[in-house]
Parts: sequence; C-alpha cells; structure tokens
Amino acid sequence: AQSVTQLDSQVPVFEEAPVELRCNYSSSVSVYLFWYVQYPNQGLQLLLKYLSGSTLVKGINGFEAEFNKSQTSFHLRKPSVHISDTAEYFCAVSVMGGYNTDKLIFGTGTRLQVFP
Amino acid sequence: NAGVTQTPKFQVLKTGQSMTLQCAQDMNHEYMSWYRQDPGMGLRLIHYSVGAGITDQGEVPNGYNVSRSTTEDFPLRLLSAAPSQTSVYFCASSFTGLGQGKTEAFFGQGTRLTVV
Repeated sequence: AQSVTQLDSQVPVFEEAPVELRCNYSSSVSVYLFWYVQYPNQGLQLLLKYLSGSTLVKGINGFEAEFNKSQTSFHLRKPSVHISDTAEYFCAVSVMGGYNTDKLIFGTGTRLQVFP
Repeated sequence: NAGVTQTPKFQVLKTGQSMTLQCAQDMNHEYMSWYRQDPGMGLRLIHYSVGAGITDQGEVPNGYNVSRSTTEDFPLRLLSAAPSQTSVYFCASSFTGLGQGKTEAFFGQGTRLTVV
C-alpha cells in the first residue's frame, strides 16, 4: 500500500534561516506527490505538487521540493523562512481509489515554528 | 466563488446524539471527500464520493454515513456520537483525477466537534 512518512513532528527555526521538512513515500507504482499547508484554524491549502517531469518543483510562498526516486523522498525546502510560515505542513501521495479515481493519503504532519 | 463551505464551525454533542455536518462546494467538482484530523495522525479519509449517487468508504468509515444527492452537497452524518469521534472534520472537493494524479483538493475551514 502506498503511504507517506513525515519524519519530524515539529521543526523549530529562527526567522531568515533555511528549513527542510522531510517526507518519504512508499510506492511500487508511479507516484504523484503533494505538499499542503495548514495555517492555524484554517483548512489545507496546496503548496506544490509533483506529477512528472522536472524533479525540482516550485510552489507558492517561496517553497520548493525535490522528488528523489532513488531515495523515495519528496523533501520541502525554503531558503529563508518568515514568521508567517509558522503552520502545519502535510505531505500527501495520490493513490488509486475506487471508481478509477485518485484519493489522497496524508502524512502525520510537521509543525513548523518560526521564532523571531 | 465561495469554494468549499462547511457548517457548523464548532459543535458539542453528548454521547449517543446524532448530527449532520454540512459541506457544499460551488466549483462543480465531481469528487468530494471527508477527512478527520487528529493530533499525531494527520488526516484520515472517512468517506468519499465520485459524483451524485456514488459514494465509497475510506480508511475510517465506522460510525459515519454519507449520501450525495446533488453535485454541490456532501453531508456527513454521525449516527450515535461517541467520544472517540471528537476531532476536526474537513470536507474537500476536486476534479476527479482519473488515475493521473491531478487531484488538487480544495478544503473547507473545518468543523471542530467535541463529544462529551
């Protein structure tokens, strides 16, 4: 079964420092990977997605992620974080569901806390 | 466009009571789904629907019912609430991916449910 593992439940970082949030996936077939962000008391919002092509994917708010097939990873990075990046980040993989559709399987989330 | 609208935002129930969580979308999406979010467990799929009249179970369907009579609405019913159903519930909608991983899900703001 396809799944994702987010290795860090919490990541504290100072403002303007770089950050990497780790995500590993397990899959025996082609994968489609996503990162979502959840700001406090809000729903989830798509940051970026990998479907095919270039392994470096750029998203909103200066985030990027690199798909690494040999390491089965899809780590999220930002070179310089802001206080406003404080949120919970979810990695997700698209898996085949019933009726020939996709459904999303989420990791357990990583809470990014940015300190001044 | 309003996107995905969930009501209510907060609810307290007594054990054994029933209630319906409402979800509506105005994007003409075929695919709708319900997730629950619990600390340390990420988001888990409860039920999903690929169109009016078609629903299927997700990872944690027990204790919940759904129906889809229109494209716009996808209510989630708790038949007899239990404390284990205390959680934050999210509704999401998307165009059906058809196995191509194009499932960008749009999420509602969530319903915070407490069962006492």
